[in-house]
Amino acid sequence: GQQVMQIPQYQHVQEGEDFTTYCNSSTTLSNIQWYKQRPGGHPVFLIQLVKSGEVKKQKRLTFQFGEAKKNSSLHITATQTTDVGTYFCRHGQNFVFGPGTRLSVLP
Amino acid sequence: SAVISQKPSRDICQRGTSLTIQCQVDSQVTMMFWYRQQPGQSLTLIATANQGSEATYESGFVIDKFPISRPNLTFSTLTVSNMSPEDSSIYLCSVVSANTGELFFGEGSRLTVL
Repeated sequence: GQQVMQIPQYQHVQEGEDFTTYCNSSTTLSNIQWYKQRPGGHPVFLIQLVKSGEVKKQKRLTFQFGEAKKNSSLHITATQTTDVGTYFCRHGQNFVFGPGTRLSVLP
Repeated sequence: SAVISQKPSRDICQRGTSLTIQCQVDSQVTMMFWYRQQPGQSLTLIATANQGSEATYESGFVIDKFPISRPNLTFSTLTVSNMSPEDSSIYLCSVVSANTGELFFGEGSRLTVL
């Protein structure tokens, strides 16, 4: 199945700084999903992107799907300690997850 | 949405024994999925459990080690057989929304093998 890669693997930011994680595929994706997993918790769905160039916002989170539908990004503005966790992308047509980006926010 | 209950939530087991994890969903679903998440790692799909047929296993996972049952559309079990410390992990049950393709997860079963 199609594999997705994520960078960076880890990110440590100071509270209030911005954060971005990237999800990349070598092949075109029909759609992309993002999940968040808090420490000790289970993954929770955040959003799905379907259209080329699509941008969606959820409060301080901005999700983008690339024009070629081979990459996606999740940007968090002014991080808070509640943003701590691991963010995974997933190609919506298979059940394989990317390796994830673990975000630490220092107060 | 779907509410998924897993048990046990955690267990400590001895090498060589087997443990069965149960997954109960509050609605009927065609496919149920079992994932493993090793410490600090991503989720790895073990198998897809379909009601009325044999489970479909991913590369690297075999039925003898991870037998799965799916007796009805709301329930599934995963057994981790002949455990070794390398099986220490979190095991997660998941279902997919037919409408949105979103995956819902149970709380997970944290297994420690001594």
